[in-house]
Amino acid sequence: AQSVTQLDSQVPVFEEAPVELRCNYSSSVSVYLFWYVQYPNQGLQLLLKYLSGSTLVKGINGFEAEFNKSQTSFHLRKPSVHISDTAEYFCAVSDRSTLGRLYFGRGTQLTVWP
Amino acid sequence: SQTIHQWPATLVQPVGSPLSLECTVEGTSNPNLYWYRQAAGRGLQLLFYSVGIGQISSEVPQNLSASRPQDRQFILSSKKLLLSDSGFYLCAWSVPLGGNTEAFFGQGTRLTVV
Repeated sequence: AQSVTQLDSQVPVFEEAPVELRCNYSSSVSVYLFWYVQYPNQGLQLLLKYLSGSTLVKGINGFEAEFNKSQTSFHLRKPSVHISDTAEYFCAVSDRSTLGRLYFGRGTQLTVWP
Repeated sequence: SQTIHQWPATLVQPVGSPLSLECTVEGTSNPNLYWYRQAAGRGLQLLFYSVGIGQISSEVPQNLSASRPQDRQFILSSKKLLLSDSGFYLCAWSVPLGGNTEAFFGQGTRLTVV
């Protein structure tokens, strides 16, 4: 069975600082990994996804993530954050057996201060 | 292009009352459909998924049920709401592939049971 651990429930940073949101997964098979962003009282928007190939994945809004199979991690990074990046971020995992079902972590609230 | 509609956006219901949340998808055929619930501090929990009309699978035992009367319609129901049913409910769809695809989310329904 798949599971996702997001180690930080809240991450406060100042504007223009770099940020890393951590995600670790557990699965016995090859996985597909996703990062979603949620703004208050809205649905989820896909930031980026890893399906196969290059382990460094670039997404929207300047975010990127690196798939590390040996460490079972898929951390999200941005070199310089903006106030508009304040939101909740979710890491999710699926695989061929899950028929598109995504299993999410508990989320990380990123707050960017001026 | 594909779109997903979910309504209502907010709902306040008394304990013991029935519930019906509706979700429809446009612009795609035979999608996989999902209902997720987001409770405070608990991330997103997959409640139900469906790979076709009348085919419903439940991920967790609970007070809710789901139905798919048409290819692109997914309904979440309850006969008698509990306080613990409060939360943010999200409908999502994905193409019917083997997991290597993201899910697309609706805008969610904020349900408060009082």
